[in-house]
Amino acid sequence: GAVVSQHPSRVICKSGTSVKIECRSLDFQATTMFWYRQFPKQSLMLMATSNEGSKATYEQGVEKDKFLINHASLTLSTLTVTSAHPEDSSFYICSAVTDANYGYTFGSGTRLTVV
Amino acid sequence: AQKITQTQPGMFVQEKEAVTLDCTYDTSDPSYGLFWYKQPSSGEMIFLIYQGSYDQQNATEGRYSLNFQKARKSANLVISASQLGDSAMYFCAISGGADGLTFGKGTHLIIQP
Repeated sequence: GAVVSQHPSRVICKSGTSVKIECRSLDFQATTMFWYRQFPKQSLMLMATSNEGSKATYEQGVEKDKFLINHASLTLSTLTVTSAHPEDSSFYICSAVTDANYGYTFGSGTRLTVV
Repeated sequence: AQKITQTQPGMFVQEKEAVTLDCTYDTSDPSYGLFWYKQPSSGEMIFLIYQGSYDQQNATEGRYSLNFQKARKSANLVISASQLGDSAMYFCAISGGADGLTFGKGTHLIIQP
């Protein structure tokens, strides 16, 4: 089956620094990857859609200069939180479009804490 | 725009009982898919069951079944013979076109021994 590996699973960073989150498709080519954010006890909210080789499409209200998405290869998409602040602390999770699971396979998520 | 409504923030159920988690949706797409995911405290999203908008029969996957009532725009999840390990957050979601999923607010299910 399709597997999406997401790293790191947890990260703590200082305010003002940048953090990179990686999602790799291990056994398939991920043309499209979705990035979601989930605040504690809330739902998953779509942040952006990335397509291999093109610029990401951001949802309304998501700062594209703050959340940099790179999808330079068919097996890797990255989300970089730049100049992170405590309000960026959240659970970030990616999802690739696949043939498995009726079209969506999720990574295991990254819990970001900014101190 | 698509919307998912889950009206049960939390539920307590006795072990071995059946439980129904409610989900209603709204969409203007003629073709869509409805999903249920389980999210344990670890955060991973575990796919449970899928129902396509044109599927005539309700989907079933082991102890999970989806009560799909298209005219009422309802897609309730039924878990039969609940187990302690079923305690988790449950999310209903809808897909349409080439977009990502739209999720409901979730239901926190707690199975009591």
